[in-house]
Amino acid sequence: RKEVEQDPGPFNVPEGATVAFNCTYSNSASQSFFWYRQDCRKEPKLLMSVYSSGNEDGRFTAQLNRASQYISLLIRDSKLSDSATYLCVVNGNNDMRFGAGTRLTVKP
Amino acid sequence: GAVVSQHPSRVICKSGTSVKIECRSLDFQATTMFWYRQFPKQSLMLMATSNEGSKATYEQGVEKDKFLINHASLTLSTLTVTSAHPEDSSFYICSARTIATAYEQYFGPGTRLTVT
Repeated sequence: RKEVEQDPGPFNVPEGATVAFNCTYSNSASQSFFWYRQDCRKEPKLLMSVYSSGNEDGRFTAQLNRASQYISLLIRDSKLSDSATYLCVVNGNNDMRFGAGTRLTVKP
Repeated sequence: GAVVSQHPSRVICKSGTSVKIECRSLDFQATTMFWYRQFPKQSLMLMATSNEGSKATYEQGVEKDKFLINHASLTLSTLTVTSAHPEDSSFYICSARTIATAYEQYFGPGTRLTVT
């Protein structure tokens, strides 16, 4: 079983749609969680951290369920510029493990 | 925000030669630096973790004698791909972390290596 698993997609949605990504992790001792965004041929960039209480940043909402070892990202009112690969990242004691990423394409 | 640079951004080398990639944290001290490799349409794969002044910890399946990592200071880590082969062609990305940032990693822009 992979340490961090994501649905690879691709997700093809129209502008304005709401889309949700899921991620599960295997290490129950994981300490911190993030969503990163990666554009084609670019380095990953932090989108947001994920907290147990859930957190929201504009159109983006992240949720963490430690009991189920599950993380989610919700994007509302999708924009063309949201097209990218979204990486679920789980941090242990000294390293970060990346999911394979979920590819999103937002179409006009 | 924290900035990490990598040099070179792109390199083409002949099979059998060695290539050195530099990773620098420009405005902060990185207690830990990470090296990743990413093949086309695949996820980032952690190669090794290096702490300043100590030997790097390599992931299973990564040859330490082939991928030499030196983390001589809190702002510089280097990855040397020795005796490169075409299958080493990939996108190499470094990242840096400081405890003060709650384990958040800052990524360099990546180095695209092509071995001919």
